[in-house]
Amino acid sequence: DGGITQSPKYLFRKEGQNVTLSCEQNLNHDAMYWYRQDPGQGLRLIYYSQIVNDFQKGDIAEGYSVSREKKESFPLTVTSAQKNPTAFYLCATRQFSGNTIYFGEGSWLTVV
Amino acid sequence: ELKVEQNPLFLSMQEGKNYTIYCNYSTTSDRLYWYRQDPGKSLESLFVLLSNGAVKQEGRLMASLDTKARLSTLHITAAVHDLSATYFCAVDMGRTSGSRLTFGEGTQLTVNP
Repeated sequence: DGGITQSPKYLFRKEGQNVTLSCEQNLNHDAMYWYRQDPGQGLRLIYYSQIVNDFQKGDIAEGYSVSREKKESFPLTVTSAQKNPTAFYLCATRQFSGNTIYFGEGSWLTVV
Repeated sequence: ELKVEQNPLFLSMQEGKNYTIYCNYSTTSDRLYWYRQDPGKSLESLFVLLSNGAVKQEGRLMASLDTKARLSTLHITAAVHDLSATYFCAVDMGRTSGSRLTFGEGTQLTVNP
């Protein structure tokens, strides 16, 4: 199957723990993005990457970290410094030469 | 900083009626996206508008873009219950900003029988 795979779909985190959300794509897209969605709100950009080994902060990067060691993979770590991490996290990809942006199925993170 | 504002944020309408959702944005862009989101799900792409005056239609939904007014509209014709969802517009900030999207807050649409 082609597309974007996010895992896990549901994740529970204890306070003080770091957790990592996975985003893998086989679309050969250059750019990858992480968005956060809180209930009843729009999406906000956390981090994005346009090429391997390079990434930029989005609007709400504090308490998060990313890496882009491979073109196919853009994992997001939610650190203990993120005080309110409970949210729906969406990964997206696009090819710069195209106009379509593809979204993964999302990951639900809950702090317990 | 780019701001994207949608209105209304909540819309309850009867089946068979028409209505328009508005999306205003604060800086120059010539690419705008409309998405649909069902509860607990990811985003579904509806329309990509790529230039001033662009109009696209799919079924009961029609989207348009006026880049000079910095305004996009999503028009619903003869609404049916299946259109109940949250609709987002998103503005492309251009290649120099990583082609990232800035989203509006969403319009939660409920179509009542």
